[in-house]
Amino acid sequence: AQSVSQHNHHVILSEAASLELGCNYSYGGTVNLFWYVQYPGQHLQLLLKYFSGDPLVKGIKGFEAEFIKSKFSFNLRKPSVQWSDTAEYFCAIRSSGYALNFGKGTSLLVTP
Amino acid sequence: GAVVSQHPSWVICKSGTSVKIECRSLDFQATTMFWYRQFPKQSLMLMATSNEGSKATYEQGVEKDKFLINHASLTLSTLTVTSAHPEDSSFYICSARVGGENSPLHFGNGTRLTVT
Repeated sequence: AQSVSQHNHHVILSEAASLELGCNYSYGGTVNLFWYVQYPGQHLQLLLKYFSGDPLVKGIKGFEAEFIKSKFSFNLRKPSVQWSDTAEYFCAIRSSGYALNFGKGTSLLVTP
Repeated sequence: GAVVSQHPSWVICKSGTSVKIECRSLDFQATTMFWYRQFPKQSLMLMATSNEGSKATYEQGVEKDKFLINHASLTLSTLTVTSAHPEDSSFYICSARVGGENSPLHFGNGTRLTVT
């Protein structure tokens, strides 16, 4: 069975600090990988996705993620966070069919 | 962009009553919708896949008689929590796909259910 593991449950950063959120998955086959973000009081929004091709994926709002197949990882990065990046971030995979399997989420708090 | 509307946003009900949650795709047709449940500090767990015009497919461990799903049209899926108990209190989120298999999901705002 496939699973998704997010290493950091709570992250606190100062503005302008760099961000990296870890995501590992367990599944031996082909997967589609996603990062979703949920801002306070809002619905889940797609941040970026990887299906194939260039393993370095750029998403919205300056976020990027790198798919490293050998490590079964899809870490999310941003060089310089802003206060408005305070949100909950979910890594998700889809191996077949249509549904997603989510990680437990990482709560990011960016302080001024 | 694609919008998935979920209603109500929050609901409080008494133990033993039933609650219906609606999920609508506002500007697209969704043959498939997904219902997730999120407990505090935990991940979103897929409950079931709702298919228009056919029975829903439930994940292992989800009671289909307790969580009734109806997908009567291409723009509406409903989840009814029957005979709700306090342990059913949770955050329920629906999602739908716009386009083919490789298109991402769009999520509703979620419904916070509290059973007293």
